[in-house]
Amino acid sequence: QAVLTQPSSLSASPGASASLTCTLRSDINIGTYRIYWYQQKPGSPPQYLLRYRSDSDNQQGSGVPSRFSGSKDVSANAGILLISGLQSEDEADYYCMIWHISAWVFGGGTKLTVL
Amino acid sequence: EVRLVESGGGLVQPGGSLRLPCVGSGFTFSSYWIHWVRQAPGKGLVWVSRINRDGSTTNHADSVKGRFTISRDNAKNTVYLQMSSLTAEDTAIYYCARAEDNTGDFDYWGQGTLVTVSS
Repeated sequence: QAVLTQPSSLSASPGASASLTCTLRSDINIGTYRIYWYQQKPGSPPQYLLRYRSDSDNQQGSGVPSRFSGSKDVSANAGILLISGLQSEDEADYYCMIWHISAWVFGGGTKLTVL
Repeated sequence: EVRLVESGGGLVQPGGSLRLPCVGSGFTFSSYWIHWVRQAPGKGLVWVSRINRDGSTTNHADSVKGRFTISRDNAKNTVYLQMSSLTAEDTAIYYCARAEDNTGDFDYWGQGTLVTVSS
C-alpha cells in the first residue's frame, strides 16, 4: 500500500469549494506530520502551495491566495487541501508530500477539473 | 529573479550514465538545500535526492541508492546529479528545486530536463 493515497480525480464547479484528501497509510499516524501541497499545471513545473501540521504550525506559499488552505482529518488519518471559490485557473494536478523514513514521499496526485 | 536551470538531459542507452547540472541564480545559492524530483511521462512526482547547504549531507530515494549521487559546487552555484546504471524506469523529466531549510517547502523549481533511457 502506498504511503500517501490521493483520489485520482475530482470535479467541481466554478465558485464552489473542493476538498482534496491525502490519506496516510494506516501504520503512519498523521498526528505530527507536516503535509505539503503542490500544484502542477500541464507543461509546467510544480508550484508550492502550503504546508500544514496544525493551526499553529502552517505556512502559505508566497503569493498563494488565501482561498487555498490546509487542514487535517485526524479520524481519517488524512491531510486536506481546501480550495474555496474555485476558478478555472485552479484546474491542475495537486500533490501532497511528507517526510517519511529519511525520504520525501509524494502522493500519486489528484487531477482537479473545474467545470 | 530567482532561477534554477537544469540541463544535461537527453537520450542514453540502458546501463549508461548521465550528469545533470542545476544552476541557480538570483539568490544566495549556498544558503539553500537543493532537491531533485522526477516525473515519468504522464505520471506523478517522485522525490529523488537532496543535498544540504554545504554538501555534507545527502539523501537518496531507495530506487536510486547506489546508482545516483548528488553533489554541489557553491562557487559555481551548481548542484549535480550523477546518474549511472540507468534503466528505462529512470526515463523522466528531472526537476531541481530549492528549500531554505531542512523542510519540504520547495519554493522555486526549474523547468526540468528530460532524460530518456532507451536502446
